[in-house]
Amino acid sequence: EAQVTQNPRYLITVTGKKLTVTCSQNMNHEYMSWYRQDPGLGLRQIYYSMNVEVTDKGDVPEGYKVSRKEKRNFPLILESPSPNQTSLYFCASKSPRVDTQYFGPGTRLTVL
Amino acid sequence: AQSVTQLDSHVSVSEGTPVLLRCNYSSSYSPSLFWYVQHPNKGLQLLLKYTSAATLVKGINGFEAEFKKSETSFHLTKPSAHMSDAAEYFCVVSVVMTRFQKLVFGTGTRLLVSP
Repeated sequence: EAQVTQNPRYLITVTGKKLTVTCSQNMNHEYMSWYRQDPGLGLRQIYYSMNVEVTDKGDVPEGYKVSRKEKRNFPLILESPSPNQTSLYFCASKSPRVDTQYFGPGTRLTVL
Repeated sequence: AQSVTQLDSHVSVSEGTPVLLRCNYSSSYSPSLFWYVQHPNKGLQLLLKYTSAATLVKGINGFEAEFKKSETSFHLTKPSAHMSDAAEYFCVVSVVMTRFQKLVFGTGTRLLVSP
């Protein structure tokens, strides 16, 4: 089954404790992206990657890092999480040949 | 700059009555437009998309949307609401920048369906 998976689905952590949210897709897509969803703001892009070793900032990249060492994986790294990063995070992927992005199930992160 | 505005944060309907979720877009280019749905505690599912082939676009679960360039609108409709339609709906415009596609999301419309 074609899908985008994220782990963990739920995470509660404390300020300053480094964490990584993993994202993996099995569709051989070149393009992957991370979004955060906050009430009243819709989804905003954090980082995106056009292919292996090619990443760039989206609209709200502060406090986040990403890496793209393999085509299927695009982890989101929070080196020193803060409470304002409490949010619902979505990973997405797409092929450059089509318009449609495929979204993962989301990761709900709470930073205390 | 490309953007979308969802005109209602909440819409309430009764089961069996029509649904209208409004979206206006701003784009310098001929846009690609999408509607996504998010059910409670679920991920995002593509409902339908417009990519200039036809102005009336049919999607899943009986939803459709009409692209109106003169009004810069892409409203989502359904003739008869079902309880299972209760969810949050996002209007999205695709921004083509050099070699990649960026999605710009509206702020969402929560659809409430009462019996």
